[in-house]
Amino acid sequence: GQQLNQSPQSMFIQEGEDVSMNCTSSSIFNTWLWYKQDPGEGPVLLIALYKAGELTSNGRLTAQFGITRKDSFLNISASIPSDVGIYFCAGQLNGKLTFGQGTILTVHP
Amino acid sequence: NAGVMQNPRHLVRRRGQEARLRCSPMKGHSHVYWYRQLPEEGLKFMVYLQKENIIDESGMPKERFSAEFPKEGPSILRIQQVVRGDSAAYFCASSPRTLSEAGANVLTFGAGSRLTVL
Repeated sequence: GQQLNQSPQSMFIQEGEDVSMNCTSSSIFNTWLWYKQDPGEGPVLLIALYKAGELTSNGRLTAQFGITRKDSFLNISASIPSDVGIYFCAGQLNGKLTFGQGTILTVHP
Repeated sequence: NAGVMQNPRHLVRRRGQEARLRCSPMKGHSHVYWYRQLPEEGLKFMVYLQKENIIDESGMPKERFSAEFPKEGPSILRIQQVVRGDSAAYFCASSPRTLSEAGANVLTFGAGSRLTVL
């Protein structure tokens, strides 16, 4: 089946720093999505990308759909303590979402 | 407009018992997806249902697991004769149309049901 490789697995940063994480796949996807999951909660959609090459921002978040349709990155600028959580990429193809393993983000005040 | 509602939020079962997890999709959503998340892992697709029909159950174990989405009422994920390895968070998500259709159509997730098997 399809697999997504998400990196890094975890990040420890200082408040105010920028963060970058990415996902790669051996398969192409029609849609790339980035979710955030807080402890004890379900994933919440941050950004959705629908076209190869698309670059989309949502506040301090920026994500891009790779031109090959096999990768995507998420950047968070000027991190704040509430950015703490697990970030998941997900690719959509043929009506099914495949999730990456997640990036655990810790922000030190 | 309430989101995806899952209950129970936490469920403890002994080995061999049955677990029933319920999911009420968002209003107007007729497509339901179930995902399983093991500790410190991503979500793994289990089953996709539309009202009264199972569309894709390729991610669901062949034995002990079943899912339904009746015409009336919530979708139910049923696990019979639970084992310790079934301990996980089970998430339900809904959408108003199939994911393969173009447009801003993505899944909305519930808060999950956390199953612990003793």
